[in-house]
Amino acid sequence: NAGVTQTPKFQVLKTGQSMTLQCAQDMNHEYMSWYRQDPGMGLRLIHYSVGAGITDQGEVPNGYNVSRSTTEDFPLRLLSAAPSQTSVYFCASRPGGLGETQYFGPGTRLLVL
Amino acid sequence: EDKVVQSPLSLVVHEGDTVTLNCSYEVTNFRSLLWYKQEKKAPTFLFMLTSSGIEKKSGRLSSILDKKELFSILNITDTQTGDSAVYLCASNFGNEKLTFGTGTRLTIIP
Repeated sequence: NAGVTQTPKFQVLKTGQSMTLQCAQDMNHEYMSWYRQDPGMGLRLIHYSVGAGITDQGEVPNGYNVSRSTTEDFPLRLLSAAPSQTSVYFCASRPGGLGETQYFGPGTRLLVL
Repeated sequence: EDKVVQSPLSLVVHEGDTVTLNCSYEVTNFRSLLWYKQEKKAPTFLFMLTSSGIEKKSGRLSSILDKKELFSILNITDTQTGDSAVYLCASNFGNEKLTFGTGTRLTIIP
């Protein structure tokens, strides 16, 4: 199993550009989430999904869209990048039910100029 | 507002020392408390705690939860340089929403 994979590892954008951060897992996990990590702020939940076709907002959803058309994939779209979105983005997945261990992807470092 | 607070923010100790990291929480619909270790990349899971007073142990690491006083501690005995990392505490307040603390940066000096 590859676990949780994320692409790209690093990206530089100009303000106003759009892009999609990819996340995939091959563990057949129901739950998937996107977090951003900023210095001194810890990990903050952006969006999450409890299954294919179901998504919901987390703590900091503005400026981001998600969709979950398959169990495996959970892309995060930046609609119009802003410097405030410069961060490290982590995707995570876990099985449904009481097993609440989350497995994190390696992260995507995003720089918005 | 649900909140997780970790202390200290950073800690520097010598190899062989024992350290205690603290995590307090205020969550409206508590389900579990989790500890993660983060080195250069993604957080890796250490412990999940759901019941008060039951210690979870893995090698030199152990953790316990106090649901009455709303806190948890992570102990590391006989610290080694490989323990240097940021330790994150998170609380699950229902469904998929994890609230993370800002972390404790632990540095072990040889």
